[in-house]
This record gives sequence, C-alpha cells and structure tokens, in this order.
Amino acid sequence: EDQVTQSPEALRLQEGESSSLNCSYTVSGLRGLFWYRQDPGKGPEFLFTLYSAGEEKEKERLKATLTKKESFLHITAPKPEDSATYLCAVQATGNTPLVFGKGTRLSVIA
Amino acid sequence: DAGVTQSPTHLIKTRGQQVTLRCSPKSGHDTVSWYQQALGQGPQFIFQYYEEEERQRGNFPDRFSGHQFPNYSSELNVNALLLGDSALYLCASSFFGGGAEREQFFGPGTRLTVL
Repeated sequence: EDQVTQSPEALRLQEGESSSLNCSYTVSGLRGLFWYRQDPGKGPEFLFTLYSAGEEKEKERLKATLTKKESFLHITAPKPEDSATYLCAVQATGNTPLVFGKGTRLSVIA
Repeated sequence: DAGVTQSPTHLIKTRGQQVTLRCSPKSGHDTVSWYQQALGQGPQFIFQYYEEEERQRGNFPDRFSGHQFPNYSSELNVNALLLGDSALYLCASSFFGGGAEREQFFGPGTRLTVL
C-alpha cells in the first residue's frame, strides 16, 4: 500500500529563518511526487511535480528536492505570507490516485 | 482562466438527507477527481471521472456516487448523510494526454456540515 508521511506536523519559524519540511514515501513505482500549499478553508494550490531522484524545482523562496525515499521542501528566508499547510502527495505508475500525507502546518512569525 | 470552480461554498444538512456538489474543471482539462478532507488530515481520494465514466474509485461506500457531463463538469452525490460525512469536499481537474495524467489543480472546496 502506498504511504506518505510528512514531518514535522507543525513548524514555527521566525521571519528569515530558513528550514526544511520532509515527505517520506513508500510506493510500488513512483510516477510523480507533488507538493501543494493549502491556506485554511481553501483548496490546495499546486507548487511542484518531481519525477525522478535527483530532480530539483524552485519557485521564489521554495525549493523541492527528491530522493528514492523522500522529498524535502526547503524554505529560504521565509516571510509571514508563507504561513500555510504544505501537502505532499505521490502517484504510482499506472495513473493511480494521488495519495496525500497529512501535511506540515507552517507558521512564520514577523 | 477561471480555474476550477465548485458550488456551493458551504452547505448544512441533517442526517439521512442527500446532497449534490458541483464542479467545473479548469479550461482544457478533461478529468475530474473528488476528494474528502477532514480537519487536520490530507485529502482522501473518492473517485475520478474521465470520458463520462468512473475511472478509479477509492475506499468509499456506495452512498457516494458521481457523474461527469459532456462538457467535463462533474457532480458528487452523497446519500443517507452521516455525521462523519462532515468535511471539506475538493474537486481537482487535470488533463489526460499522451497516456498519462498531468498535474491536478484543485478548486476552493465545498464545506459540508451534517447535523
């Protein structure tokens, strides 16, 4: 059974304090790993897709990396507007459904 | 581009009632997936529609059913509502091209409360 575990559950950072969120996964064969941002009461917003180990993607202060067992979302010099829940999901080969983790709730304090 | 839209935004029902939620996909997308998200949890896959047929289904009872229309929009129906059905219901659309599904883009969700 495909599984996704995200850590930590919650993270509190001072503005400008860089950190990383972890997504560990178990999947029969990885087709893609996806990162989403979700604000309270709203739908997830697509951030990145990673397809193979060693791949990296960047967007503003966010950088996502992928290994064969986990993915990291690095946040450099975060701002209060980066506060949100960050969700990780995997899709196995064969166009199977996305399997989501529970998310990491990030709070950035000014 | 309006993106993925869902209606209604909020809904309050009582146990035993039936509910219909609606979703319009992002322009150019042909596949619609529905998810249930409980508070503090990640989205759980309910089912996916492609070419007006249910293509995949998650571990949800038959009380959950759906439909996709020729214009790719979709409905989620839930019968005999239970208190545990209270959740944020998310619709996601994607394009199935070249034999592979592209990224899923989510709508704002419908908050369902069952009393």
